[in-house]
Amino acid sequence: QKEVEQDPGPLSVPEGAIVSLNCTYSNSAFQYFMWYRQYSRKGPELLMYTYSSGNKEDGRFTAQVDKSSKYISLFIRDSQPSDSATYLCAVSYNQGGKLIFGQGTELSVKP
Amino acid sequence: GAGVSQSPSNKVTEKGKDVELRCDPISGHTALYWYRQSLGQGLEFLIYFQGNSAPDKSGLPSDRFSAERTGGSVSTLTIQRTQQEDSAVYLCASSSWWDGGGNEQFFGPGTRLTVL
Repeated sequence: QKEVEQDPGPLSVPEGAIVSLNCTYSNSAFQYFMWYRQYSRKGPELLMYTYSSGNKEDGRFTAQVDKSSKYISLFIRDSQPSDSATYLCAVSYNQGGKLIFGQGTELSVKP
Repeated sequence: GAGVSQSPSNKVTEKGKDVELRCDPISGHTALYWYRQSLGQGLEFLIYFQGNSAPDKSGLPSDRFSAERTGGSVSTLTIQRTQQEDSAVYLCASSSWWDGGGNEQFFGPGTRLTVL
């Protein structure tokens, strides 16, 4: 079993839709949770960063961490064609520690 | 610099040759990480540097892989006697967490390695 599981998709939605992306993880010791966006042939770009449980909002993006369920989510409101990319969740045990990534979900937002 | 830079952006080599990949982190970031991204394995950690020392090398797949960092800045990842399974995108990231900054890791554009 992988330490972080993520549905690879692909996921296709119409412009303006609400997108929900999810990951589950196996080890309750993870404390740091991140979402990265990766465009084709580019490096991952940090979108959201959360320590421990709770919600964090940044513009159209909301990240949720539920440590009791070992479940992390990213919601994208009013999705745009420019949001079309691969979204990677990542977790870490400690500050400065290595990141463990999910497989990534490929998202396509159709105009 | 403005962000993490990596060179070359693409590298094609023949099986059995050695390759060197370079990473230049964000100025002032003392933490530096190497990852590898391949279709079958996703994005995997290779090695972590704090300054010039590497406290975590647990992700290096074999002794053909090595990395060094000098002057607390530029890092080089070396792959000896390359094999076809080494074909992947090699990504470098840096962080300022040790310097009192955030824990976030910022990635470079990667080096796409193809072993023929």
